Amino acid sequence: DAKTTQPPSMDCAEGRAANLPCNHSTISGNEYVYWYRQIHSQGPQYIIHGLKNNETNEMASLIITEDRKSSTLILPHATLRDTAVYYCIVRVVSNQGGKLIFGQGTELSVKP
Amino acid sequence: GAGVSQSPSNKVTEKGKDVELRCDPISGHTALYWYRQSLGQGLEFLIYFQGNSAPDKSGLPSDRFSAERTGGSVSTLTIQRTQQEDSAVYLCASSIIDSNYGYTFGSGTRLTVV
Repeated sequence: DAKTTQPPSMDCAEGRAANLPCNHSTISGNEYVYWYRQIHSQGPQYIIHGLKNNETNEMASLIITEDRKSSTLILPHATLRDTAVYYCIVRVVSNQGGKLIFGQGTELSVKP
Repeated sequence: GAGVSQSPSNKVTEKGKDVELRCDPISGHTALYWYRQSLGQGLEFLIYFQGNSAPDKSGLPSDRFSAERTGGSVSTLTIQRTQQEDSAVYLCASSIIDSNYGYTFGSGTRLTVV
């Protein structure tokens, strides 16, 4: 079973920031938070991940609460092409590999 | 190649036939994963390979499903005696073990059983 909880859907106006929340209250100390997105009819795409600290890359920012029980993915200036299902996943990163368990995700609709 | 390649991109088969789906991972990626996604559903984990061995087969739904990987590279997912409920998009992903950067997914094979 997925260990995260996300709202099923969200809307965002084009050009505005999209803030996607995720609850992972049972996260373990060695589990990372990963975000992927899936645009219709494509395979999922890696966005960002983090352990404790906030992270930023060219796609998005990840804000993790101090207790690590929740996080927020921020798309700073959403475009129509950001319309997708966004998945928040927790996973242990080790040299043994390990599967990602996808939940239902949040369907983000960016509107003009 | 530059990405994960899957073939065929689309496959229509008759109920009861066997099918083989192929995944060609990114060169140097030792971990390979198969998922499936039924229409309107989330991703369902099937099997994970580390090199040529499969330490986690827990997601294979029945003994009609099997997978192998040879030479630490190409993997084949075989579905025997296909059923209509097998219709789905089958996705393959690969990653560098102990990489922090997650998986790279292919575009999938859309399987339709008629």
